[in-house]
Amino acid sequence: DAGVIQSPRHEVTEMGQEVTLRCKPISGHDYLFWYRQTMMRGLELLIYFNNNVPIDDSGMPEDRFSAKMPNASFSTLKIQPSEPRDSAVYFCASGTRETEAFFGQGTRLTVV
Amino acid sequence: AQKVTQAQTEISVVEKEDVTLDCVYETRDTTYYLFWYKQPPSGELVFLIRRNSFDEQNEISGRYSWNFQKSTSSFNFTITASQVVDSAVYFCALRKIQGAQKLVFGQGTRLTINP
Repeated sequence: DAGVIQSPRHEVTEMGQEVTLRCKPISGHDYLFWYRQTMMRGLELLIYFNNNVPIDDSGMPEDRFSAKMPNASFSTLKIQPSEPRDSAVYFCASGTRETEAFFGQGTRLTVV
Repeated sequence: AQKVTQAQTEISVVEKEDVTLDCVYETRDTTYYLFWYKQPPSGELVFLIRRNSFDEQNEISGRYSWNFQKSTSSFNFTITASQVVDSAVYFCALRKIQGAQKLVFGQGTRLTINP
């Protein structure tokens, strides 16, 4: 298995632009998580899905952030409009109730 | 609420020294999982171990060992005979077994092994 695949690996965008981060979970995993990592706040959970249904989105910072999981093999995290304070590394992870979470390589987002 | 505390922000040791990373957790759940992840300079998060709250046996894997003590809510990680390649940020994390499946991470400990 190729593991959790995230794209792009790096994204540089201008303030106000829309940003879409993509994630392909490991086949057979029914949980998918989006985390954000910053120096100030560490690793924080933004949202997670179970069987493609959002379960807990309490970590989504504000309405500018949205996440979807249209099917079991794909999820997106969208920021519209982006702001410099959104600059961070965004991780996608997948797993099951019986396993650990497997993390993707992350997307490093820079908003200038 | 669940909380994980890694009080050591940074640790620096000389190669071949033993080093212990501390992890203290808080939870009202009677069943839970504890984890350790490693984040090397390349940035990915690498799973190291998962421990079930039912099982307080210590675990050893090569130079790595873990000490789980429910009485003190601690899950400490020791690297024996450290090597430069062990340099990384190490995260301790907590998750319920039943209910919400989200991982709650500590702030991480940056470990530097000097040659």
